[in-house]
Amino acid sequence: DIQMTQSPSSLSASVGDRVTITCRTSQNIGSYLHWYQQKAGKAPKVLIYAASNLQTGVPSRFSGSGSGTDFTLTISSLQPEDFATYYCQQTYSDFPRTFGQGTKVETK
Amino acid sequence: QVQLQESGPGLVKPSETLSLTCTISGDSVSSANYYWTWIRQSPGKGLEWLGCIYYSENTNYNPSLKSRVTISVDKSKNQFSLKLSSVTAADTAVYYCARDRSNGWYGIDYWGQGTLVTVSS
Repeated sequence: DIQMTQSPSSLSASVGDRVTITCRTSQNIGSYLHWYQQKAGKAPKVLIYAASNLQTGVPSRFSGSGSGTDFTLTISSLQPEDFATYYCQQTYSDFPRTFGQGTKVETK
Repeated sequence: QVQLQESGPGLVKPSETLSLTCTISGDSVSSANYYWTWIRQSPGKGLEWLGCIYYSENTNYNPSLKSRVTISVDKSKNQFSLKLSSVTAADTAVYYCARDRSNGWYGIDYWGQGTLVTVSS
């Protein structure tokens, strides 16, 4: 299985801050890395697919970068609705399609 | 608009089999473009990919659960199902069904709302 290491596990930030979350994989996965946002009591929703592609309807303050084994999700200016938990997922190795451990973004 | 809806018992006794069904609307379980997938989330924990089924009825499971999990499809009802045997308290979780593009490029684009299953006597 491909191992996912997501960091940090949590962070405290204020509205307007730039936030960066990283995901590292145990082997080269090209660009087969996706980012999800999950709010309390809700299903996750995809923000970024294939490392750097913004899902339709997702605000442009979200961006993704990276390839190979190191990936980053950036929120350029944190908004109140962005306080949530974020997960990465790889879909390079067919199965299992593993998730990172999650990063909880909390208010400072 | 694609919608996925999980259904099944919210309480299962230890050692018994957990059974859930996902009903699809707005798409077909027979579509060759997608893996129909089950994911769970234990209380306060992260997401765990359980397994998926393809239109050909080929299945793939998480090795950590492989001996206990079965995913099947009912094309006549446009549903797919999850069975998890010999459950323990550690299987208490919110279970999600989801649609995942088979080529792996787009991530999971549709999720059910999730259903909480509690394992307790």
